[in-house]
Amino acid sequence: KAGVTQTPRYLIKTRGQQVTLSCSPISGHRSVSWYQQTPGQGLQFLFEYFSETQRNKGNFPGRFSGRQFSNSRSEMNVSTLELGDSALYLCASSPGRDGRQAQYFGPGTRLTVT
Amino acid sequence: KQEVTQIPAALSVPEGENLVLNCSFTDSAIYNLQWFRQDPGKGLTSLLLIQSSQREQTSGRLNASLDKSSGRSTLYIAASQPGDSATYLCAVINYNFNKFYFGSGTKLNVKP
Repeated sequence: KAGVTQTPRYLIKTRGQQVTLSCSPISGHRSVSWYQQTPGQGLQFLFEYFSETQRNKGNFPGRFSGRQFSNSRSEMNVSTLELGDSALYLCASSPGRDGRQAQYFGPGTRLTVT
Repeated sequence: KQEVTQIPAALSVPEGENLVLNCSFTDSAIYNLQWFRQDPGKGLTSLLLIQSSQREQTSGRLNASLDKSSGRSTLYIAASQPGDSATYLCAVINYNFNKFYFGSGTKLNVKP
């Protein structure tokens, strides 16, 4: 089975712009979670989607949003980018309805905001 | 709120040594605990998953144990190799919340 894929792998944006990141889960996985990783804060949970519905959300401002499509692919959007949004954004997929199962991560998208 | 701590933050050992990485968590009502490995600039690779009802899991040279009552897990790496050099993270998920809480990781360097 192919693993979790994320596109693009690298992205450079300027402050005030918006960005959309994409994640394709492992085939058959229906839960997709997003995380932000920075040297200072470590791995922080953004949100989780299951069957096109946001099931859980972390403590991030409303500039961070996401969605999931009927094929389980997910996108994450960040509007009005700030320098502090520079991070590695990781997507993880999980097999089933129970979001507490093992998570499998993609390679990440490295976002740099200048 | 669940808090996960990993000690030490960094570890350097000579090749061939057996070593133990530690992970502690404050809320023992966990559903499972997962150990990951992360190479620089890369995503996370799942190593082992321990369900709350289990005490340990093994995969090759890796053995992870779980003591829920004391809020601790250890990852044992036998006969370490330079290729084991990476950051190791543990994450727990509680019964009540569908999200993982991550520790800050232990950066391991195995010297040839």
